[in-house]
Amino acid sequence: GDSVTQMQGQVTLSEDDFLFINCTYSTTWYPTLFWYVQYPGEGPQLLLKVTTANNKGISRGFEATYDKGTTSFHLQKASVQESDSAVYYCVLGAPSNTNKVVFGTGTRLQVLP
Amino acid sequence: EAAVTQSPRSKVAVTGGKVTLSCHQTNNHDYMYWYRQDTGHGLRLIHYSYVADSTEKGDIPDGYKASRPSQENFSLILELASLSQTAVYFCASSSGNSDYTFGSGTRLLVI
Repeated sequence: GDSVTQMQGQVTLSEDDFLFINCTYSTTWYPTLFWYVQYPGEGPQLLLKVTTANNKGISRGFEATYDKGTTSFHLQKASVQESDSAVYYCVLGAPSNTNKVVFGTGTRLQVLP
Repeated sequence: EAAVTQSPRSKVAVTGGKVTLSCHQTNNHDYMYWYRQDTGHGLRLIHYSYVADSTEKGDIPDGYKASRPSQENFSLILELASLSQTAVYFCASSSGNSDYTFGSGTRLLVI
């Protein structure tokens, strides 16, 4: 079945560092991929989505692209701030007839001042 | 502003008791979901619904029931609460394009 793997469970950076987190996916159809972000005490919220391989999704200073050849999807930001500390989920979109997305296990980002 | 509202925000329940978690959305979305979140497991789907008066089992439905009496409301029911059901529960809604809107969560402690 469809799956998403996030190998980085925790990432610790200092302010102004470059962020790069990655996930891999497996599916038999042409996917839409998402990054959701969850701040402490809140529910996850959509950060950005990418509907086409090699196209770039951009939101709030974050960028994401996915590579259909390597089935990888990454999120990057040039300069992180302490306020970016959160859990980031890689999410595989669902076929329209089910709308059941697949969540990765999340990457916890801690940004030190 | 469109939203997903969960109640209660937190609850302490006794083992063997009945617990009902409620969710209300004003997004006019057809799809609604219940997830649980545990440390180290991310989000796991319990039940979902794509139309009123119908619910579907997710990946971990055992020990849980769901009810969707209207498009706006979706409840999660624990008939016999157990210690293993201590977790944070999230409700979400979607129009069917995989963009989910989540509530703020219900923190459930079963003692």
